[in-house]
Amino acid sequence: GQQLNQSPQSMFIQEGEDVSMNCTSSSIFNTWLWYKQEPGEGPVLLIALYKAGELTSNGRLTAQFGITRKDSFLNISASIPSDVGIYFCAGQEAGGTSYGKLTFGQGTILTVHP
Amino acid sequence: AAGVIQSPRHLIKEKRETATLKCYPIPRHDTVYWYQQGPGQDPQFLISFYEKMQSDKGSIPDRFSAQQFSDYHSELNMSSLELGDSALYFCASSFGRGRGNGYTFGSGTRLTVV
Repeated sequence: GQQLNQSPQSMFIQEGEDVSMNCTSSSIFNTWLWYKQEPGEGPVLLIALYKAGELTSNGRLTAQFGITRKDSFLNISASIPSDVGIYFCAGQEAGGTSYGKLTFGQGTILTVHP
Repeated sequence: AAGVIQSPRHLIKEKRETATLKCYPIPRHDTVYWYQQGPGQDPQFLISFYEKMQSDKGSIPDRFSAQQFSDYHSELNMSSLELGDSALYFCASSFGRGRGNGYTFGSGTRLTVV
């Protein structure tokens, strides 16, 4: 089945620093999504990307859909303590009968030191 | 705004028992997805329903079954529980097997099998 490789697995940064994480896939996705999950809660959608090459921002977050449709990155600028959590990329497959199903990356655990 | 409601939030069962998890989608959402997230793992797709019919099937064990009812709520039935079934179970809903932007997750049910 589909597999997403997300890196890094974890990051320890100082408040105010910028953060970058990325996902790569062996297969094409037609939608890339970035979620944040806090302990005991469901994933919350941060950014959705629908077109190859698309660059989208949401406040301090910026994400891009790779032109090969097999990768995406998420940048967080000027990190703050409440950015702490687990960030997941997710891809939605490019057709067939899997419309709607998401495949998640392994997650990036972000720790921000004040 | 109304969100995806899951019940119960926590459930403790013994091995070989059965469990039923419930999901109430956002009003007017017609698609429900179920995901399983083991400790330190990314969410894994189990099964989805669109307009009360099974839409897609992932890595759902044969001991599990699910359905979507006429009011669009869904139930995940788990029988012959095993220790390895201990996980967070998330439900998500969307309108029309949405493209990810309409994909709202509930807060999950934490199942512990002892």
